[in-house]
Amino acid sequence: DAGITQSPRHKVTETGTPVTLRCHQTENHRYMYWYRQDPGHGLRLIHYSYGVKDTDKGEVSDGYSVSRSKTEDFLLTLESATSSQTSVYFCAISEYGGGRTDTQYFGPGTRLTVL
Amino acid sequence: AQTVTQSQPEMSVQEAETVTLSCTYDTSESDYYLFWYKQPPSRQMILVIRQEAYKQQNATENRFSVNFQKAAKSFSLKISDSQLGDAAMYFCAYRSGGGSEKLVFGKGTKLTVNP
Repeated sequence: DAGITQSPRHKVTETGTPVTLRCHQTENHRYMYWYRQDPGHGLRLIHYSYGVKDTDKGEVSDGYSVSRSKTEDFLLTLESATSSQTSVYFCAISEYGGGRTDTQYFGPGTRLTVL
Repeated sequence: AQTVTQSQPEMSVQEAETVTLSCTYDTSESDYYLFWYKQPPSRQMILVIRQEAYKQQNATENRFSVNFQKAAKSFSLKISDSQLGDAAMYFCAYRSGGGSEKLVFGKGTKLTVNP
């Protein structure tokens, strides 16, 4: 299994509060991703990183920011959580970000509930 | 934009029998990759199998195989000798071959295995 951990694994918070989710990898992979999973939508990309301090938006990036100050850590921040951000959040990593041998491997997920 | 469609929200199969899960996709690209991920109740996303579009030969991994029909833009997953541990959500995913970092997921098919 790829060495990916996410913290916290579960969180309940209130509307309007800031929330930070952490993804940590031990594989030294260059690319890291944040997805959210909602019923009826599959997984959708929020943001991704292609190196330290290099990030870009995915298809559902509104209301989220990310940071990557070290290769191994990728943080997802909800500046002011809303009930629509209640979801399961997955981190993924890949070595090359593309190419014929590349595959994304996923962390265990974080279940976030915004009341 | 690429889209992935899984037309079967739920499927069931008897233990030891064979089941096929459907996936179609829409793209104008010629170079891309297709994946099937399994998500058991633990929520962990597990890669089942991958297929490169440039390969005509269908990928196989033990009891799992795909039927890749590039002209029809179809990518079905066949599970042979189904086991109780195969019960899970199955997601079909697409990734562009042009260095794109993004995985596009279908909405998933819930597979039940009956003893």
